[in-house]
Amino acid sequence: DTGVSQNPRHKITKRGQNVTFRCDPISEHNRLYWYRQTLGQGPEFLTYFQNEAQLEKSRLLSDRFSAERPKGSFSTLEIQRTEQGDSAMYLCASSPLDRLTYEQYFGPGTRLTVT
Amino acid sequence: AQKVTQAQTEISVVEKEDVTLDCVYETRDTTYYLFWYKQPPSGELVFLIRRNSFDEQNEISGRYSWNFQKSTSSFNFTITASQVVDSAVYFCALSGIVSGGYNKLIFGAGTRLAVHP
Repeated sequence: DTGVSQNPRHKITKRGQNVTFRCDPISEHNRLYWYRQTLGQGPEFLTYFQNEAQLEKSRLLSDRFSAERPKGSFSTLEIQRTEQGDSAMYLCASSPLDRLTYEQYFGPGTRLTVT
Repeated sequence: AQKVTQAQTEISVVEKEDVTLDCVYETRDTTYYLFWYKQPPSGELVFLIRRNSFDEQNEISGRYSWNFQKSTSSFNFTITASQVVDSAVYFCALSGIVSGGYNKLIFGAGTRLAVHP
């Protein structure tokens, strides 16, 4: 059973460019979360998918951010017109639909640097 | 509003010392869950423990132990006989349950633990 995988692991982009990150959750995990972690802080919730449905979006997710999970498996997070303030680690987590399991399993993250 | 406070930003110990990481939380929910995660230098958050609000039993797992006290809203984590491999950032997290059964984690700022040989 492989864990959550994220690609790319590192991304350096120039301000104003668009970037897209991919997350592959643990197979058969219906719940998928995106978090953002800035230097020296804990992760902050961005959005949640149950299967292909996006059920919650944080106020942190501005109009420049969009996330999808088209077939209920992998998910993508796109940032348009990147800004220096978008520099952070973007973490993906998954968990099963089982209501008794509330811990989330995290991927290694994608570190974004906007220059 | 929910909030998690980890007042210790950094802790430095010598190998084999015991160390306690503090976590204080705030929530209005009557049912909630508390978690500890470890983030080694590689960056991946590793799940350590989950605790339900209605279960105040302390738990021990090898060199790790957790002390949950609802009266003081604390969920402290102790590492006994620390080892260099314990060096990491440790996060305490809190969640309620949103209608629909999912939970979003509210993390503290983390405590960086450095264990020196």
